[in-house]
Amino acid sequence: EIVLTQSPGTLSLSPGERATLSCRASQSVSSSYLAWYQQKPGQAPRLLIYGASSRATGIPDRFSGSGSGTDFTLTISRLEPEDFAVYYCQQYGSSPPSTFGQGTKVEIK
Amino acid sequence: EVQLVESGGVVVQPGGSLRLSCAASGFTFDDYTMHWVRQAPGKGLEWVSLISWDGGSTYYADSVKGRFTISRDNSKNSLYLQMNSLRTEDTALYYCAKDIGEQQLVLDYWGQGTLVTVSS
Repeated sequence: EIVLTQSPGTLSLSPGERATLSCRASQSVSSSYLAWYQQKPGQAPRLLIYGASSRATGIPDRFSGSGSGTDFTLTISRLEPEDFAVYYCQQYGSSPPSTFGQGTKVEIK
Repeated sequence: EVQLVESGGVVVQPGGSLRLSCAASGFTFDDYTMHWVRQAPGKGLEWVSLISWDGGSTYYADSVKGRFTISRDNSKNSLYLQMNSLRTEDTALYYCAKDIGEQQLVLDYWGQGTLVTVSS
């Protein structure tokens, strides 16, 4: 099973700043089958990025994904108030089962 | 508009059984793989199971294999999760989620979840 480790655990930033979230896999994720989700308190997760760098429908272009192999990054270019949330990475390259990282919380500084 | 509405979550004793349901609308249900994902209180996400569009393929996380069974009724646009031999560590909010395609394992729509509590 591929284990995903996200860092940092918590990121304290101000609106307008740039956020860089890391997701590291215990072994290579084939074909960059890596997705990112956003979850706000009391809400279901929302798909942001899949295939490591493809934005899902309706996702603003301030969200971008990059990386390959074992190292992936989610970047939020300029934080908006609604972006403060928990972010999860998910790998699906090993075919079932899929696994999620433990999450990174982006909080207001 | 895609809607996924889960139901069936209750408090159950360890060793007990439960069946969760998910009613889907707003898309062609039998075109898509469907999933269950769970989230223990205050914890992260854990993928649980998937079922292909026709029910012909199913997969499970190791943590639930042999105890949980996923199924679907395309005539009713419904997804199910039969949960047996429940353990305290199965306590979680259970989400139904739609795949972007056939076993792509990217989840583009989620329900609001149904809470399962396993406690004596």
